[in-house]
Amino acid sequence: EDKVVQSPLSLVVHEGDTVTLNCSYEVTNFRSLLWYKQEKKAPTFLFMLTSSGIEKKSGRLSSILDKKELSSILNITATQTGDSAIYLCAGSPNRDDKIIFGKGTRLHILP
Amino acid sequence: DGGITQSPKYLFRKEGQNVTLSCEQNLNHDAMYWYRQDPGQGLRLIYYSQIVNDFQKGDIAEGYSVSREKKESFPLTVTSAQKNPTAFYLCASRWGRNYGYTFGSGTRLTVV
Repeated sequence: EDKVVQSPLSLVVHEGDTVTLNCSYEVTNFRSLLWYKQEKKAPTFLFMLTSSGIEKKSGRLSSILDKKELSSILNITATQTGDSAIYLCAGSPNRDDKIIFGKGTRLHILP
Repeated sequence: DGGITQSPKYLFRKEGQNVTLSCEQNLNHDAMYWYRQDPGQGLRLIYYSQIVNDFQKGDIAEGYSVSREKKESFPLTVTSAQKNPTAFYLCASRWGRNYGYTFGSGTRLTVV
């Protein structure tokens, strides 16, 4: 059975800290890995990763995929209170259009 | 602006009632999805549809039903057979396998 596991499930840090969120996956016929940020209601898209070892960046956020280790990390540098959210990791297989989500990491940034 | 609209934002259901959650998109996406989100559970797939007049069960389809009569619309009915329907429901659509999901703002369903 396909699955995506995120760690930690919850994280509290102070503003200005750097955080690393982890995601491991077991997805048959893996195609891509996705990261989303969910603040209140609708998750918003952050990154889609398909190639191993190539870092994607957006401002203070960056992510990289390791296909050998079947994992990905999401880094947030110089955290701000606005980064407080649930971060969702998901794996997308080739065989159909379903995406398998992890349980999310709830990140709370203290001012 | 293109996007996905879910309605209502909040819904209260009495025991034994069926309720229908609306999901409409104007993104011209073929594939649409319904997820349920419970605290600490992440997103669990209820149903999905890759094309009009066709849909497949997800991991937790029992007690739910859907229809896909139009490309733009994918309503979800929570039936009385769903014993624990209180949750946050998210609808999503996708252009294709090379793209991620676009999500609606969700419907919070509460059984009273």
